[in-house]
Amino acid sequence: SQTIHQWPATLVQPVGSPLSLECTVEGTSNPNLYWYRQAAGRGLQLLFYSVGIGQISSEVPQNLSASRPQDRQFILSSKKLLLSDSGFYLCAWSNRGAGNNSPLHFGNGTRLTVT
Amino acid sequence: KNQVEQSPQSLIILEGKNCTLQCNYTVSPFSNLRWYKQDTGRGPVSLTIMTFSENTKSNGRYTATLDADTKQSSLHITASQLSDSASYICVVSAIGGSYIPTFGRGTSLIVHP
Repeated sequence: SQTIHQWPATLVQPVGSPLSLECTVEGTSNPNLYWYRQAAGRGLQLLFYSVGIGQISSEVPQNLSASRPQDRQFILSSKKLLLSDSGFYLCAWSNRGAGNNSPLHFGNGTRLTVT
Repeated sequence: KNQVEQSPQSLIILEGKNCTLQCNYTVSPFSNLRWYKQDTGRGPVSLTIMTFSENTKSNGRYTATLDADTKQSSLHITASQLSDSASYICVVSAIGGSYIPTFGRGTSLIVHP
Protein backbone atom coordinates (compact mmCIF):
# COMPACT_ATOMS: atom_id res chain seq x y z
CA SER A 1 0.00 0.00 0.00
CA GLN A 2 1.02 3.58 -0.52
CA THR A 3 2.20 5.75 2.33
CA ILE A 4 3.39 9.31 2.63
CA HIS A 5 5.86 10.45 5.24
CA GLN A 6 6.34 14.05 6.22
CA TRP A 7 8.69 15.38 8.87
CA PRO A 8 9.20 16.95 11.27
CA ALA A 9 5.75 17.09 12.83
CA THR A 10 6.46 20.37 14.61
CA LEU A 11 9.18 22.95 14.21
CA VAL A 12 10.00 26.23 15.92
CA GLN A 13 12.49 28.38 14.08
CA PRO A 14 13.75 31.95 14.57
CA VAL A 15 13.23 34.60 11.95
CA GLY A 16 16.01 34.58 9.38
CA SER A 17 16.91 30.92 9.86
CA PRO A 18 16.78 28.37 6.99
CA LEU A 19 14.08 25.76 6.54
CA SER A 20 13.95 22.30 5.08
CA LEU A 21 10.84 20.12 5.20
CA GLU A 22 10.97 16.72 3.62
CA CYS A 23 8.26 14.51 2.20
CA THR A 24 8.59 11.01 0.78
CA VAL A 25 6.07 8.68 -0.79
CA GLU A 26 6.25 4.89 -0.78
CA GLY A 27 4.39 2.26 -2.73
CA THR A 28 3.81 4.22 -5.92
CA SER A 29 5.87 5.63 -8.73
CA ASN A 30 5.74 8.78 -10.82
CA PRO A 31 3.27 10.56 -8.52
CA ASN A 32 2.19 14.18 -8.71
CA LEU A 33 3.50 15.91 -5.59
CA TYR A 34 2.18 18.98 -3.84
CA TRP A 35 3.05 21.36 -1.01
CA TYR A 36 0.17 23.21 0.65
CA ARG A 37 0.10 25.70 3.49
CA GLN A 38 -2.81 26.19 5.84
CA ALA A 39 -2.92 29.29 8.03
CA ALA A 40 -4.94 29.13 11.23
CA GLY A 41 -8.65 29.06 10.41
CA ARG A 42 -8.00 29.32 6.70
CA GLY A 43 -8.22 27.05 3.71
CA LEU A 44 -5.40 25.20 2.01
CA GLN A 45 -3.16 27.31 -0.22
CA LEU A 46 -1.22 25.52 -2.93
CA LEU A 47 2.45 26.50 -2.82
CA PHE A 48 4.14 24.14 -5.29
CA TYR A 49 3.35 21.11 -7.37
CA SER A 50 5.49 18.74 -9.38
CA VAL A 51 4.70 16.28 -12.16
CA GLY A 52 8.21 14.83 -12.35
CA ILE A 53 11.80 14.96 -11.15
CA GLY A 54 13.15 18.47 -11.36
CA GLN A 55 9.79 19.84 -12.57
CA ILE A 56 8.43 22.36 -10.08
CA SER A 57 5.61 24.84 -10.56
CA SER A 58 5.08 27.67 -8.12
CA GLU A 59 1.59 28.96 -7.51
CA VAL A 60 2.34 32.05 -5.43
CA PRO A 61 5.36 34.34 -5.13
CA GLN A 62 6.92 33.83 -1.75
CA ASN A 63 9.93 33.25 0.39
CA LEU A 64 9.90 29.51 -0.19
CA SER A 65 11.24 27.12 -2.82
CA ALA A 66 10.71 23.45 -3.59
CA SER A 67 12.79 20.71 -5.12
CA ARG A 68 12.18 17.16 -6.29
CA PRO A 69 15.55 15.42 -6.37
CA GLN A 70 14.04 11.94 -6.65
CA ASP A 71 10.76 10.59 -8.02
CA ARG A 72 9.16 10.19 -4.60
CA GLN A 73 10.88 12.92 -2.64
CA PHE A 74 9.67 16.49 -2.34
CA ILE A 75 11.48 19.13 -0.30
CA LEU A 76 10.27 22.55 0.81
CA SER A 77 12.98 25.07 1.64
CA SER A 78 13.67 28.62 2.64
CA LYS A 79 16.94 30.47 3.01
CA LYS A 80 15.57 32.97 5.54
CA LEU A 81 12.29 32.47 7.31
CA LEU A 82 9.81 35.29 7.88
CA LEU A 83 7.21 35.54 10.62
CA SER A 84 4.55 35.18 7.92
CA ASP A 85 5.90 31.74 7.03
CA SER A 86 4.33 30.30 10.16
CA GLY A 87 1.60 27.80 9.42
CA PHE A 88 0.65 24.20 8.87
CA TYR A 89 2.47 22.69 5.88
CA LEU A 90 1.02 19.69 4.14
CA CYS A 91 2.60 17.47 1.53
CA ALA A 92 0.34 15.44 -0.76
CA TRP A 93 0.55 13.05 -3.70
CA SER A 94 -1.85 11.93 -6.38
CA ASN A 95 -1.77 9.13 -8.94
CA ARG A 96 -0.83 10.75 -12.23
CA GLY A 97 -2.17 7.82 -14.18
CA ALA A 98 -5.64 8.37 -12.75
CA GLY A 99 -5.60 12.04 -13.68
CA ASN A 100 -8.25 14.11 -11.97
CA ASN A 101 -9.95 10.97 -10.66
CA SER A 102 -7.18 10.44 -8.16
CA PRO A 103 -7.69 11.86 -4.69
CA LEU A 104 -4.95 13.83 -3.01
CA HIS A 105 -3.30 11.76 -0.30
CA PHE A 106 -1.96 14.01 2.42
CA GLY A 107 0.76 13.59 4.98
CA ASN A 108 0.13 14.51 8.59
CA GLY A 109 1.65 17.93 8.20
CA THR A 110 4.35 20.05 9.81
CA ARG A 111 3.37 22.76 12.24
CA LEU A 112 5.92 25.56 11.70
CA THR A 113 6.19 28.45 14.14
CA VAL A 114 8.57 31.25 13.26
CA THR A 115 9.52 33.34 16.30
CA LYS B 1 -11.87 32.04 -12.25
CA ASN B 2 -12.50 28.67 -10.63
CA GLN B 3 -13.94 29.06 -7.13
CA VAL B 4 -15.44 26.87 -4.42
CA GLU B 5 -17.57 28.42 -1.69
CA GLN B 6 -18.66 26.54 1.40
CA SER B 7 -21.27 27.27 4.02
CA PRO B 8 -21.63 27.55 6.87
CA GLN B 9 -18.12 28.51 7.91
CA SER B 10 -18.66 26.77 11.24
CA LEU B 11 -21.35 24.66 12.83
CA ILE B 12 -22.01 23.34 16.33
CA ILE B 13 -24.44 20.49 16.87
CA LEU B 14 -25.31 18.01 19.58
CA GLU B 15 -24.27 14.41 19.37
CA GLY B 16 -26.86 12.30 17.60
CA LYS B 17 -28.22 15.16 15.50
CA ASN B 18 -28.02 15.42 11.72
CA CYS B 19 -26.44 18.25 9.76
CA THR B 20 -25.91 19.35 6.17
CA LEU B 21 -22.93 21.21 4.76
CA GLN B 22 -23.12 23.13 1.50
CA CYS B 23 -20.71 23.67 -1.38
CA ASN B 24 -21.16 25.92 -4.45
CA TYR B 25 -18.62 25.94 -7.24
CA THR B 26 -17.82 27.69 -10.48
CA VAL B 27 -15.16 25.24 -11.70
CA SER B 28 -15.48 24.54 -15.39
CA PRO B 29 -15.40 22.24 -17.26
CA PHE B 30 -16.43 20.08 -14.33
CA SER B 31 -14.70 16.75 -13.75
CA ASN B 32 -15.49 15.69 -10.21
CA LEU B 33 -16.14 16.90 -6.69
CA ARG B 34 -14.71 15.41 -3.53
CA TRP B 35 -15.46 15.93 0.13
CA TYR B 36 -12.52 15.64 2.48
CA LYS B 37 -12.50 15.37 6.26
CA GLN B 38 -9.64 17.03 8.13
CA ASP B 39 -9.18 16.20 11.79
CA THR B 40 -7.37 18.83 13.86
CA GLY B 41 -3.64 18.68 13.28
CA ARG B 42 -3.90 16.07 10.53
CA GLY B 43 -4.01 16.02 6.75
CA PRO B 44 -7.36 15.86 4.93
CA VAL B 45 -8.75 12.46 3.95
CA SER B 46 -11.09 11.89 1.02
CA LEU B 47 -14.62 10.83 2.04
CA THR B 48 -16.35 10.60 -1.30
CA ILE B 49 -16.11 11.53 -4.96
CA MET B 50 -18.96 12.72 -7.15
CA THR B 51 -18.81 12.73 -10.95
CA PHE B 52 -21.07 14.55 -13.37
CA SER B 53 -23.57 11.72 -13.72
CA GLU B 54 -23.92 11.01 -10.00
CA ASN B 55 -26.58 12.62 -7.84
CA THR B 56 -26.12 10.86 -4.52
CA LYS B 57 -23.42 8.77 -2.93
CA SER B 58 -23.17 7.43 0.60
CA ASN B 59 -20.23 6.43 2.74
CA GLY B 60 -21.55 5.15 6.04
CA ARG B 61 -23.25 8.03 7.84
CA TYR B 62 -22.03 10.49 5.21
CA THR B 63 -24.21 11.18 2.15
CA ALA B 64 -23.06 13.52 -0.59
CA THR B 65 -25.32 14.99 -3.24
CA LEU B 66 -24.49 16.77 -6.46
CA ASP B 67 -26.58 19.02 -8.68
CA ALA B 68 -24.38 19.66 -11.71
CA ASP B 69 -26.93 22.04 -13.22
CA THR B 70 -26.89 24.46 -10.29
CA LYS B 71 -23.27 23.59 -9.44
CA GLN B 72 -24.08 22.73 -5.86
CA SER B 73 -23.16 19.86 -3.58
CA SER B 74 -24.08 18.97 -0.03
CA LEU B 75 -22.68 16.63 2.59
CA HIS B 76 -25.23 15.24 5.00
CA ILE B 77 -24.07 13.66 8.24
CA THR B 78 -26.55 11.41 9.99
CA ALA B 79 -26.61 10.64 13.72
CA SER B 80 -23.49 12.66 14.40
CA GLN B 81 -20.77 11.36 16.68
CA LEU B 82 -18.09 13.17 18.64
CA SER B 83 -15.53 11.85 16.17
CA ASP B 84 -17.26 13.78 13.39
CA SER B 85 -15.80 16.97 14.85
CA ALA B 86 -13.49 18.14 12.07
CA SER B 87 -13.20 20.45 9.11
CA TYR B 88 -15.00 19.30 5.96
CA ILE B 89 -13.52 20.53 2.73
CA CYS B 90 -15.15 20.57 -0.70
CA VAL B 91 -12.68 20.13 -3.56
CA VAL B 92 -13.56 20.40 -7.25
CA SER B 93 -11.49 19.29 -10.23
CA ALA B 94 -11.74 20.49 -13.81
CA ILE B 95 -11.33 18.39 -16.95
CA GLY B 96 -7.92 18.54 -18.58
CA GLY B 97 -5.12 20.89 -17.76
CA SER B 98 -2.92 20.41 -14.73
CA TYR B 99 -3.81 18.18 -11.80
CA ILE B 100 -4.65 21.01 -9.46
CA PRO B 101 -8.08 20.86 -7.85
CA THR B 102 -9.79 23.92 -6.39
CA PHE B 103 -10.30 23.86 -2.63
CA GLY B 104 -13.04 25.43 -0.57
CA ARG B 105 -12.15 26.94 2.79
CA GLY B 106 -13.98 24.24 4.66
CA THR B 107 -16.74 24.03 7.26
CA SER B 108 -15.62 23.53 10.84
CA LEU B 109 -17.99 21.11 12.56
CA ILE B 110 -18.06 20.70 16.34
CA VAL B 111 -20.16 17.93 17.84
CA HIS B 112 -20.95 18.38 21.53
CA PRO B 113 -21.97 15.55 23.84
